Amino acid sequence: AQSVTQLGSHVSVSEGALVLLRCNYSSSVPPYLFWYVQYPNQGLQLLLKYTSAATLVKGINGFEAEFKKSETSFHLTKPSAHMSDAAEYFCAVSEPGGGNKLTFGTGTQLKVEL
Amino acid sequence: NAGVTQTPKFQVLKTGQSMTLQCAQDMNHNSMYWYRQDPGMGLRLIYYSASEGTTDKGEVPNGYNVSRLNKREFSLRLESAAPSQTSVYFCASSLARNYEQYFGPGTRLTVT
Repeated sequence: AQSVTQLGSHVSVSEGALVLLRCNYSSSVPPYLFWYVQYPNQGLQLLLKYTSAATLVKGINGFEAEFKKSETSFHLTKPSAHMSDAAEYFCAVSEPGGGNKLTFGTGTQLKVEL
Repeated sequence: NAGVTQTPKFQVLKTGQSMTLQCAQDMNHNSMYWYRQDPGMGLRLIYYSASEGTTDKGEVPNGYNVSRLNKREFSLRLESAAPSQTSVYFCASSLARNYEQYFGPGTRLTVT
C-alpha cells in the first residue's frame, strides 16, 4: 500500500527566504507524485506533478520539486518566498494502474513572515 | 469552463438527518472522487468512480453512498448524519491517463 509522509505540519519562513517542504513516499511500484496547494476556504490546486519523465519538475508560481528514487522523496522548493505563498501544501502519490486514486499526506501549513 | 462545481457550499444538519451533496464537472473527465478533509488528517478518499457506471469504496466509506448519475455528475449521500461526519467535503475529477485531479471548492458540513 502506498503512503505519504510530510515532515513538519507547520513551516515558517521569512519573505525572500528559501521554501523547503518535505515529502517522502512509499510505493510498491514507481509512483506518480503531485504537490497541491490550498488557499483558505478554497479547493486544492495542482502545483506540479512527476509522472516518470524528468526528475526535476517545475510548477506554477516558481515552485519546483525533485524526484529522488534512492531517498523516496519529492521535496518542494521555491528560491524566494512571497507573502502570497502562505497556504497549506499537500503531497500526494498515485500508483499507475491503481484507478487513479491519490493518497495524500497530512499537509504542511506554510507561513511567510515579513 | 466552470471546472468542478459543488452544491451546497455550506450545510448544517441535525443528527439523523439525510442529505445529498452534488458534484458536476464539465471537462469530460472519466473519473470522479469524493474526499473529506479533517484538520491534521489531509484528504481521505470516501468513494470514487473510475468511469461512468462504476463506483468503488475508498478509505472511509462507512456512512456514505454515492451515485454516478452520468459522466458529468457524481453525488454523495449521507443517509443518517452523525457528528463524526462534520467535515469539509471535496469532489474531484480526472482524465485517466493524466492522473492529476481537479478539485471543486468544497462543501462545509456541520452535524449537530
